[in-house]
Amino acid sequence: EDQVTQSPEALRLQEGESSSLNCSYTVSGLRGLFWYRQDPGKGPEFLFTLYSAGEEKEKERLKATLTKKESFLHITAPKPEDSATYLCAVQSDTGRRALTFGSGTRLQVQP
Amino acid sequence: DTEVTQTPKHLVMGMTNKKSLKCEQHMGHRAMYWYKQKAKKPPELMFVYSYEKLSINESVPSRFSPECPNSSLLNLHLHALQPEDSALYLCASSHTGGYTGELFFGEGSRLTVL
Repeated sequence: EDQVTQSPEALRLQEGESSSLNCSYTVSGLRGLFWYRQDPGKGPEFLFTLYSAGEEKEKERLKATLTKKESFLHITAPKPEDSATYLCAVQSDTGRRALTFGSGTRLQVQP
Repeated sequence: DTEVTQTPKHLVMGMTNKKSLKCEQHMGHRAMYWYKQKAKKPPELMFVYSYEKLSINESVPSRFSPECPNSSLLNLHLHALQPEDSALYLCASSHTGGYTGELFFGEGSRLTVL
């Protein structure tokens, strides 16, 4: 069974204080690992897809990386508008094709 | 602005009511999804339509009935719901036919069952 564990559950940062969110996964053949951002009461917003170990993607202050067991979402010099829940999800290339989501990391960036 | 539009944004219904949630996308996407999300939990997949045909049903109770009238529209018909069905119902679409993780979500319909 595919599993995704995200840590920490919640993270509070000061504006400008860089940090990383972790997503550990087990999957029977990785088709892709996906990061989403979700604001309260809204639907998730797609951020990145990572396909293979060593791959990196960047968007503004966010950088996602992938190893064979985990992914990191690095946030550099965050701003208050980066406050949101960040969800990680995996898709297997065998059997179940639906996404398996982690429970998310709730990030709060204080000015 | 999201390109997946869901209506209504909020819905309150009794356990004996029949109501519908609607979803529309005009991005030419070929797959559409219904997810259910409870507070502080990740989204849970309910149904996937690929090329207007139901391709995944995650053992959802029959009181939830999906319908895909055409490639741009997706409905979720609700009947005889229970209070525990109260949740945020999210519609999503994807460019390819149902086996991608790159989903475009709507803002959701907040359902309360009394």
